[in-house]
Amino acid sequence: GENVEQHPSTLSVQEGDSAVIKCTYSDSASNYFPWYKQELGKRPQLIIDIRSNVGEKKDQRIAVTLNKTAKHFSLHITETQPEDSAVYFCAALKAAGNKLTFGGGTRVLVKP
Amino acid sequence: DSGVTQTPKHLITATGQRVTLRCSPRSGDLSVYWYQQSLDQGLQFLIQYYNGEERAKGNILERFSAQQFPDLHSELNLSSLELGDSALYFCASSVGAGGSGETQYFGPGTRLLVL
Repeated sequence: GENVEQHPSTLSVQEGDSAVIKCTYSDSASNYFPWYKQELGKRPQLIIDIRSNVGEKKDQRIAVTLNKTAKHFSLHITETQPEDSAVYFCAALKAAGNKLTFGGGTRVLVKP
Repeated sequence: DSGVTQTPKHLITATGQRVTLRCSPRSGDLSVYWYQQSLDQGLQFLIQYYNGEERAKGNILERFSAQQFPDLHSELNLSSLELGDSALYFCASSVGAGGSGETQYFGPGTRLLVL
């Protein structure tokens, strides 16, 4: 089955700096890669996603890149703010499959 | 607010007991997914129902079962509970069967504590 590795497990950045989280996946048939943000005690919320026919996608301060050959994708947050502090999860979905496989999560702390 | 509702919010029970968690999907969504989130296991997919039928199965224990009713709400039944079953249980919903990479909207979760 699919296996998703996420690094780092914790990330501390100064407000205004950039944060980068990296994920690798094992199944080359995976073609959909969402990122979820989960604040303490709350539900995971989709913040951005990318499909395998696209190499990069951007939404304001958030961007995701995908390298299909290397089977890895990354989340980039620029100009970080304290409200960006949360746990971020990457995930992968195999084409025609239904099972989202999540990475282990990255706890991001933005220090004011 | 995602539009997905879950009840109860919190549940405290004893080992060996049985509990039922309930989920109502967003209006118009036909798929319901169940996930377990524990501290050491992250978010684990349990099972998916689409329009009343089981669609995909993940790491769901035999002591756990689920169903989706004609009104599309779903219930997750956990029996012979063990201490290790203590976790946050989320359901999520999506419009279709999910195979094309549809957005899954998560509910607020049910926190289960087994004593």
